[in-house]
Amino acid sequence: KQEVTQIPAALSVPEGENLVLNCSFTDSAIYNLQWFRQDPGKGLTSLLLIQSSQREQTSGRLNASLDKSSGRSTLYIAASQPGDSATYLCAVKDLGGFKTIFGAGTRLFVKA
Amino acid sequence: NAGVMQNPRHLVRRRGQEARLRCSPMKGHSHVYWYRQLPEEGLKFMVYLQKENIIDESGMPKERFSAEFPKEGPSILRIQQVVRGDSAAYFCASSAQGGEKLFFGSGTQLSVL
Repeated sequence: KQEVTQIPAALSVPEGENLVLNCSFTDSAIYNLQWFRQDPGKGLTSLLLIQSSQREQTSGRLNASLDKSSGRSTLYIAASQPGDSATYLCAVKDLGGFKTIFGAGTRLFVKA
Repeated sequence: NAGVMQNPRHLVRRRGQEARLRCSPMKGHSHVYWYRQLPEEGLKFMVYLQKENIIDESGMPKERFSAEFPKEGPSILRIQQVVRGDSAAYFCASSAQGGEKLFFGSGTQLSVL
């Protein structure tokens, strides 16, 4: 049974700092991995999708890497801004399965 | 170019009533997923549907919960005889194909009094 864990559960950093959010999963037989952002009381916004054959994806100040063999992904945020404050969720879709399994998220607070 | 539309945004029900949550997927998407989120917790998968078919309902309680995605109209998540423990945010997501990127709606916050 696939399980997704995110560390840390919460993070507070000063504006401008570079930071890394971690995600680990127990079953490496995945189809893809997706990072989402969730603002309080809102839905999820997709940030990056990495297919199982890919190693990383980049969008603006965001870079996500995938190491399938070790069951890990990282989300790197460069030059953090107060507007980056949100909960970041990692989600894994298994090979041959239909559901996407979510981690509990990392709550990020960027101080101005 | 509307995204995934969920309504209502907030729904208040008394114990024993029925709750009906609606989800219209993005245009061109035929795959719909329902998730539940409790406060301070991650999203828990409930059910995956394609048009007129339930593909995977392994995350949905066997009692009181049902889902449908008819040929015409939105997907419906129905909760009969609601209890306080059903209070949560219910999110719908859609994709063009089963393995592709998920797009989420803004959710329905269900409160059971």
